[in-house]
Amino acid sequence: DAKTTQPTSMDCAEGRAANLPCNHSTISGNEYVYWYRQIHSQGPQYIIHGLKNNETNEMASLIITEDRKSSTLILPHATLRDTAVYYCIVRGLNAGNNRKLIWGLGTSLAVNP
Amino acid sequence: KAGVTQTPRYLIKTRGQQVTLSCSPISGHRSVSWYQQTPGQGLQFLFEYFSETQRNKGNFPGRFSGRQFSNSRSEMNVSTLELGDSALYLCASSLANSDTDTQYFGPGTRLTVL
Repeated sequence: DAKTTQPTSMDCAEGRAANLPCNHSTISGNEYVYWYRQIHSQGPQYIIHGLKNNETNEMASLIITEDRKSSTLILPHATLRDTAVYYCIVRGLNAGNNRKLIWGLGTSLAVNP
Repeated sequence: KAGVTQTPRYLIKTRGQQVTLSCSPISGHRSVSWYQQTPGQGLQFLFEYFSETQRNKGNFPGRFSGRQFSNSRSEMNVSTLELGDSALYLCASSLANSDTDTQYFGPGTRLTVL
């Protein structure tokens, strides 16, 4: 079973920030939070990941709460091309079962003009 | 660098046949993972290969198998195809080092079983 919970769907106006929440209350100390997105029928695209500090790259920012039980992906200026399903995943990096990505159903983000 | 490539992109087979899908990882990546995506089940992990050895396996029947070659390219095989095997099969590669092990996905192979 997925170790994360996300809202099923969200809407955002073009040009505004999209804030996508994720709960991962059972996250372990050695597990990272990863975000991917999937545009219809394409392969998932990596967005960002983090352990406990906030992270930013050219695509998005990741805010992780101090207790690490939840996080928020921020797309600062959403465009129509950001319409996709966004997946929040926790995984460890050691050899063994926690290396695999376990996917939930994600959040379907619709960016509206 | 070229991304992960998968061939073929689309495939139509009939029940009972077998199929082989191919994945070429990003240059320098040593780990290849395979996932099945269906509308009802979402993305599900099939298996992971590293240095030609299966390192991790999901809960799929033995009809699903894979292998990895010395150049890190990987194939997966599905024998005795069933209608329920119709899905998007995704391959992902990663460096498999301990600090950053981001998986990068290919475009997928869309398999239709008739």
